[in-house]
Amino acid sequence: DAKTTQPPSMDCAEGRAANLPCNHSTISGNEYVYWYRQIHSQGPQYIIHGLKNNETNEMASLIITEDRKSSTLILPHATLRDTAVYYCIVRVRDDKIIFGKGTRLHILP
Amino acid sequence: DVKVTQSSRYLVKRTGEKVFLECVQDMDHENMFWYRQDPGLGLRLIYFSYDVKMKEKGDIPEGYSVSREKKERFSLILESASTNQTSMYLCASSVESNEQFFGPGTRLTVL
Repeated sequence: DAKTTQPPSMDCAEGRAANLPCNHSTISGNEYVYWYRQIHSQGPQYIIHGLKNNETNEMASLIITEDRKSSTLILPHATLRDTAVYYCIVRVRDDKIIFGKGTRLHILP
Repeated sequence: DVKVTQSSRYLVKRTGEKVFLECVQDMDHENMFWYRQDPGLGLRLIYFSYDVKMKEKGDIPEGYSVSREKKERFSLILESASTNQTSMYLCASSVESNEQFFGPGTRLTVL
């Protein structure tokens, strides 16, 4: 079973920051938080991952709460091409990935 | 850039046929994975492999087998295709335990 809870869908205006929440209240100390996204008719794409510190790369920022029970993926300036299903996954680095239902993000023009 | 390719984007087969889905990656990754994706069920892991000639069952291996004779190639085999195996099949690869890179997917229809 997926160990995360995400809202089924969200809307965000183009050009604004998209903040996607994820709850993982049962996360273990050695489990990482990963984010992937899947654009329609394509395979999933890795976005970012973190353990306990906040992380940033060219695609997004990942904010993990101090108790690690939740996190937020931030797309700083959303574009129409960011319309996709976003998956939050927790896993030990050597373990398989279990995808949940994800959040369908709609970017509105 | 890592490239994961799958032999077909779309495939139509008949019930009872033997079906081969091929996946090739060009980055010398040790790990390769096969998933299927169905509406409302998300991605589900079928089989994975951590090395040549090694395979591990995922969450839904029934009705499938795999072959990994070379490091870059991971094949998914449907011995006798059934209509409930109509799905999108996704292959992925990774190095050590890092992020997985996915192929474009094969949409299989079994009539």
